[in-house]
Amino acid sequence: DSGVTQTPKHLITATGQRVTLRCSPRSGDLSVYWYQQSLDQGLQFLIQYYNGEERAKGNILERFSAQQFPDLHSELNLSSLELGDSALYFCASSVGGTRNTIYFGEGSWLTVV
Amino acid sequence: EDQVTQSPEALRLQEGESSSLNCSYTVSGLRGLFWYRQDPGKGPEFLFTLYSAGEEKEKERLKATLTKKESFLHITAPKPEDSATYLCALGFSGNTGKLIFGQGTTLQVKP
Repeated sequence: DSGVTQTPKHLITATGQRVTLRCSPRSGDLSVYWYQQSLDQGLQFLIQYYNGEERAKGNILERFSAQQFPDLHSELNLSSLELGDSALYFCASSVGGTRNTIYFGEGSWLTVV
Repeated sequence: EDQVTQSPEALRLQEGESSSLNCSYTVSGLRGLFWYRQDPGKGPEFLFTLYSAGEEKEKERLKATLTKKESFLHITAPKPEDSATYLCALGFSGNTGKLIFGQGTTLQVKP
């Protein structure tokens, strides 16, 4: 158990809908990361927050957004969902931003039908 | 362009048959090379971080090494429970901890 908690574990939704994935980082970790893993793309970095502020951005679609709240939990919002958004979404956390081990949660399986 | 390539894509070993997985990379401003293990449907599990060429780290049957252009994950006398996908990832200099992952090597160890 990495200490990173993600909810929900599984969800199925229809195209065009919006979903929110939630993440609680490990106790004491200030950085939260979101990754997307699909069969053809592998594990792709989406976005990083550090203590409430956006720190780095990867290949995150404009339909996706994230935020980190004062209690350090984070949410990833996915809107206008398409079939291709079906993937495993991971949250990860670390103490800081560099030279710190990054620990991953168990992921949220999203299926868009 | 920053890039990480893992080989082979898949590897089948008999229990006790040692081997190595390769991770080659091109990057500007490398700040750490990371190895993770991932079981099907699970999150990546941290194994090692290497920061400089010549560095080696060991954990049970696993040993990771780093050169200026590649890293190896040596598996000595593997057991069936070592079966998993092994991912290497690049960390970057600067004020971010983001990682860029390779496609992984899926290892199957048969008893």
